[in-house]
Amino acid sequence: AQSVSQHNHHVILSEAASLELGCNYSYGGTVNLFWYVQYPGQHLQLLLKYFSGDPLVKGIKGFEAEFIKSKFSFNLRKPSVQWSDTAEYFCAVTPGSFQKLVFGTGTRLLVSP
Amino acid sequence: DAGVIQSPRHEVTEMGQEVTLRCKPISGHNSLFWYRQTMMRGLELLIYFNNNVPIDDSGMPEDRFSAKMPNASFSTLKIQPSEPRDSAVYFCASSQGTAQETQYFGPGTRLLVL
Repeated sequence: AQSVSQHNHHVILSEAASLELGCNYSYGGTVNLFWYVQYPGQHLQLLLKYFSGDPLVKGIKGFEAEFIKSKFSFNLRKPSVQWSDTAEYFCAVTPGSFQKLVFGTGTRLLVSP
Repeated sequence: DAGVIQSPRHEVTEMGQEVTLRCKPISGHNSLFWYRQTMMRGLELLIYFNNNVPIDDSGMPEDRFSAKMPNASFSTLKIQPSEPRDSAVYFCASSQGTAQETQYFGPGTRLLVL
């Protein structure tokens, strides 16, 4: 079945550690890729997105993601996390021209001060 | 811009009661989405509208769920009758109507069915 996989369900890091969250999708053809973040008690916000061009995408708050077509991956990275990055992170895909966002299961990140 | 507005923010009801959730999309956006978030199933799309017309309702769980969008600035999601398994956070989102556009989410309605 077509899906979006996030392999890490829970990640615990200390401040200043580097972060990489995995995301793989199983759709063939053109895809549009998104990372959303949900801070505790808040609604989802867009971190970054990719649909064409440079496969290394920079988003807000120092986050970036790299689209690797051959690996069907769109991993999220941040060189140095802060306590305020504690949140749940969702990878999502819209396949082709369809607007239906398909979400991964999310990764809960806890950054300890 | 006020963003996507949802009401109520919290709803507690008893099994069998009708529940109506409301959403006001961002002005100028022509696509509106209803999502449900649960621990077991994560975030899943229930239905989406484009230019007030339902495009994909394949995620609507069953006939107890219905959604309407009578105009460009208002949508409702109704559950009748409600059941405890409907307890979840329901999000509304809107976008400018293509697969590449960002979907902007509202704060959600936390529903508890007793």
